[in-house]
Amino acid sequence: GESVGLHLPTLSVQEGDNSIINCAYSNSASDYFIWYKQESGKGPQFIIDIRSNMDKRQGQRVTVLLNKTVKHLSLQIAATQPGDSAVYFCAETGNTDKLIFGTGTRLQVFP
Amino acid sequence: EPEVTQTPSHQVTQMGQEVILRCVPISNHLYFYWYRQILGQKVEFLVSFYNNEISEKSEIFDDQFSVERPDGSNFTLKIRSTKLEDSAMYFCASSGKVNTEAFFGQGTRLTVV
Repeated sequence: GESVGLHLPTLSVQEGDNSIINCAYSNSASDYFIWYKQESGKGPQFIIDIRSNMDKRQGQRVTVLLNKTVKHLSLQIAATQPGDSAVYFCAETGNTDKLIFGTGTRLQVFP
Repeated sequence: EPEVTQTPSHQVTQMGQEVILRCVPISNHLYFYWYRQILGQKVEFLVSFYNNEISEKSEIFDDQFSVERPDGSNFTLKIRSTKLEDSAMYFCASSGKVNTEAFFGQGTRLTVV
């Protein structure tokens, strides 16, 4: 039978459009943040990170924005492709090195 | 590209049995972790390990759990007496420095029946 789990928010975008995935983090003392991508049946895969002394960081097709005032993190994916379909998790670390993961957002890309 | 490898990919065990999940972290990394993910839920921290000892553990990591680095390459998670609720994906991760990118393995799916 189907197991009960958290209902993941889902973002559906058309191929070629830009995607924005949002995350609210909990600990104001957190100073390092990572976005991970998880495809079905696989482990989390690093996408991009940012430290608390920055507001924005860009990678290849991805940008992370950090708003410490409201404890908000976002991931922007430019020109979304079918291969971007996955669950995206933000994670934070504070005064310890353990990662605290958010609940995740499912990104669905349709043609 | 270096990667974290985990074995087995899938383990089925009877309730009450002991299981050992194995991981080979990236070779020059010093910080090792176990996380778990119950189906459809978020990834949860279990334990971190540095300098041959546990540096932090979560409430999930009770007396039934233990970790070991038996040699210079392997990092294991042992569950002494498995329960049905231990069924989950277990991910090993490693990093080279504290508060830097952690690399995850592909996971071991543990099914307790």
